[in-house]
Amino acid sequence: DAGVIQSPRHEVTEMGQEVTLRCKPISGHDYLFWYRQTMMRGLELLIYFNNNVPIDDSGMPEDRFSAKMPNASFSTLKIQPSEPRDSAVYFCASSWSRTGSNEQFFGPGTRLTVL
Amino acid sequence: QKEVEQNSGPLSVPEGAIASLNCTYSDRGSQSFFWYRQYSGKSPELIMSIYSNGDKEDGRFTAQLNKASQYVSLLIRDSQPSDSATYLCAVNIPGNQFYFGTGTSLTVIP
Repeated sequence: DAGVIQSPRHEVTEMGQEVTLRCKPISGHDYLFWYRQTMMRGLELLIYFNNNVPIDDSGMPEDRFSAKMPNASFSTLKIQPSEPRDSAVYFCASSWSRTGSNEQFFGPGTRLTVL
Repeated sequence: QKEVEQNSGPLSVPEGAIASLNCTYSDRGSQSFFWYRQYSGKSPELIMSIYSNGDKEDGRFTAQLNKASQYVSLLIRDSQPSDSATYLCAVNIPGNQFYFGTGTSLTVIP
């Protein structure tokens, strides 16, 4: 299995621009999670989906952030407009509820820098 | 109060020693507990999961869970320099909500 795939791996953009991060979960996994990691705040859960449906988006910091999961194999996290304080590493993770283990597997992350 | 608390460290141990990492959590309804290892610049990697009170061993790693004390720990025996990383404790509560600690930085000195 290829594991969780994220793109791009690095993104540098200017304040005010739209940023779209992409994630492909492990095939067969029914949960997908988006996290943000910074030195100051650690790993924060932004939103998660179950069977493509958003379940909890209480971690999304502002209306500038939105996430979609149009099908079981693809999700996007969009920031519009981006701000320097959005600079962080964004991780996508997926898990399979049928095992009952709730073990999450992380993608390699997208390092976002907003100038 | 944070959902999951860890000592940030840094924790330094000599090669071959036992490294002990600790984590406490606040939600008594927590069901699943995980330890992730994260190397600098890399993503978190699952190394242990534990679901019931007691010890769970996997190679050089032992996870310990005490639900009454709301405490979970990770022991690394025969520590190696390659174990140097940040270790994240994660807790799963009903509704599949996950909380991560801020991590403990471990350095194994050759």
